[in-house]
Amino acid sequence: GENVEQHPSTLSVQEGDSAVIKCTYSDSASNYFPWYKQELGKRPQLIIDIRSNVGEKKDQRIAVTLNKTAKHFSLHITETQPEDSAVYFCAASNRGGGADGLTFGKGTHLIIQP
Amino acid sequence: DTAVSQTPKYLVTQMGNDKSIKCEQNLGHDTMYWYKQDSKKFLKIMFSYNNKELIINETVPNRFSPKSPDKAHLNLHINSLELGDSAVYFCASSPQGGALGETQYFGPGTRLLVL
Repeated sequence: GENVEQHPSTLSVQEGDSAVIKCTYSDSASNYFPWYKQELGKRPQLIIDIRSNVGEKKDQRIAVTLNKTAKHFSLHITETQPEDSAVYFCAASNRGGGADGLTFGKGTHLIIQP
Repeated sequence: DTAVSQTPKYLVTQMGNDKSIKCEQNLGHDTMYWYKQDSKKFLKIMFSYNNKELIINETVPNRFSPKSPDKAHLNLHINSLELGDSAVYFCASSPQGGALGETQYFGPGTRLLVL
């Protein structure tokens, strides 16, 4: 089955600086890579996703890159703000022939220092 | 923000009891899921289900069983609860179809504490 590794487990950056979180996956058949943000006591919320037919996607201060050959993908947050503080999860999915759940990384606790 | 809803929000119960968690989605999605988030915040798929197939994560004990009365609901029934079942359980849903992945929308979670 799929295995997703995520690093770092904790990331502390100064407000206004950039943050980068990296993930690797094991199953070359995986074709969908979402990123979720989870605030304390809340549900995971999708912030951006990328599919295997593109290498990069950007949405305002958030961008994701995908390297299929190396089987890794990264989340980039620029101009970080206090409200960016949360736990971020990467995930991978292989739709295959049926309904397939997401395999998550273990999460990165992002701390934005004022 | 009630596209995917779960009840109850909190559930405290004794070891050995049987309990159910309900999930409903009003998005018209065909596929629903249950995830478990443990005390270390690790999210793991338990089941995925649409009107055609149930896919069970092989690591899930058979004390856990999903029940779907219709495509808008996927309830989770747990028999003989154990201390290790304490976790947050999230329901999610996604549209059916699409060869390149589908966005999953999560419910608010049910915090289960087994004493």
